[in-house]
Amino acid sequence: GENVEQHPSTLSVQEGDSAVIKCTYSDSASNYFPWYKQELGKRPQLIIDIRSNVGEKKDQRIAVTLNKTAKHFSLHITETQPEDSAVYFCAARLTGGGNKLTFGTGTQLKVEL
Amino acid sequence: GAVVSQHPSRVICKSGTSVKIECRSLDFQATTMFWYRQFPKKSLMLMATSNEGSKATYEQGVEKDKFLINHASLTLSTLTVTSAHPEDSSFYICSARDSAGGYPYEQYFGPGTRLTVT
Repeated sequence: GENVEQHPSTLSVQEGDSAVIKCTYSDSASNYFPWYKQELGKRPQLIIDIRSNVGEKKDQRIAVTLNKTAKHFSLHITETQPEDSAVYFCAARLTGGGNKLTFGTGTQLKVEL
Repeated sequence: GAVVSQHPSRVICKSGTSVKIECRSLDFQATTMFWYRQFPKKSLMLMATSNEGSKATYEQGVEKDKFLINHASLTLSTLTVTSAHPEDSSFYICSARDSAGGYPYEQYFGPGTRLTVT
């Protein structure tokens, strides 16, 4: 099955700085990589996703890059704001895996004033 | 659009009793729903895939007789925790995939149910 590793587990940045969270996956057959933001006690919210036929995708302050050869993908948040503080999860979907997602272990992002 | 609800949001039950959690897709049909369990400050662990009209597919290590899943309609899946014990206390989250098309891979998550077994 798929295994997803995520780093760092905690990340603290100053407001306005950039934040980068990295994930690696084990199965080269994975073809879809979403990123979720989860606030305490709330549901995960999809913030951006990328398919395996694309190397980079950007949506305003958020971008995701994918390196299929190295089997890793990263989330980039620029101009961070206090409201970006939350736990971020990466995930990977295995082709033919029935649309199951395997989640990373999460990154607690704290944006300090 | 693409809203998933869960009920109840919080439940406290006594050890040995059973608890049913509902997951509904409000504005779309979902032939497939997923049930996750999340411990404090931990990741989402997939418990099972709920398939409308057929048996659920459980992940390795998840007891199917303890966590009963029923997906009787295209908008409703239920998870019943039978003979609950304190170690079953957790945050249970469901997600649903829109069967009608659109973006084929996205899962929409419910708000979660906090189960506390005393």
